[in-house]
Amino acid sequence: DTEVTQTPKHLVMGMTNKKSLKCEQHMGHRAMYWYKQKAKKPPELMFVYSYEKLSINESVPSRFSPECPNSSLLNLHLHALQPEDSALYLCASSQAQLLAGGEQFFGPGTRLTVL
Amino acid sequence: AQRVTQPEKLLSVFKGAPVELKCNYSYSGSPELFWYVQYSRQRLQLLLRHISRESIKGFTADLNKGETSFHLKKPFAQEEDSAMYYCAIRQGAQKLVFGQGTRLTINP
Repeated sequence: DTEVTQTPKHLVMGMTNKKSLKCEQHMGHRAMYWYKQKAKKPPELMFVYSYEKLSINESVPSRFSPECPNSSLLNLHLHALQPEDSALYLCASSQAQLLAGGEQFFGPGTRLTVL
Repeated sequence: AQRVTQPEKLLSVFKGAPVELKCNYSYSGSPELFWYVQYSRQRLQLLLRHISRESIKGFTADLNKGETSFHLKKPFAQEEDSAMYYCAIRQGAQKLVFGQGTRLTINP
């Protein structure tokens, strides 16, 4: 399996809801990422997990809570979001080692709409 | 911090014409640079990276340290090359910083 999968494809939620985005990969990658992509903009890094530990948090508001339960799974828990959080949320994975070449493999994304 | 600049938001060329997508970077050390591509309704994927010096789908990109550039080139554009192209630079072990992207349209 050489793909990163993300569920759900689309998500509509109210500002008081709690929801979760899920990401899975079976390529043996030990680094996993969450990006946020607004329309016509590049992906912006949110979080990086390396060997199941949070290694980078790009000053993301606490209403976004990442979780890496094991080396294949990455979750993003959402609570009390704002309409401006509506975006495409991308998951990616890569080898964790510095000299591994740097290629990140992206999932198809979850299109999130916050009402 | 490392940064990449893609000066063209939109680029339109005719099929069979040469195409060049510009990317300039700011970094004082030895940068690691990539081109990622996103075709319509497909996921973002790596096109090429400068360290491997490979040609993918006819595209090449040469790192020019004197001009701090990593332009993406193809001698003869094809309609299937229409896509969004992002130049990216590695920052640290795992962080990629993307440019603003160039939407390439190949006209028949």
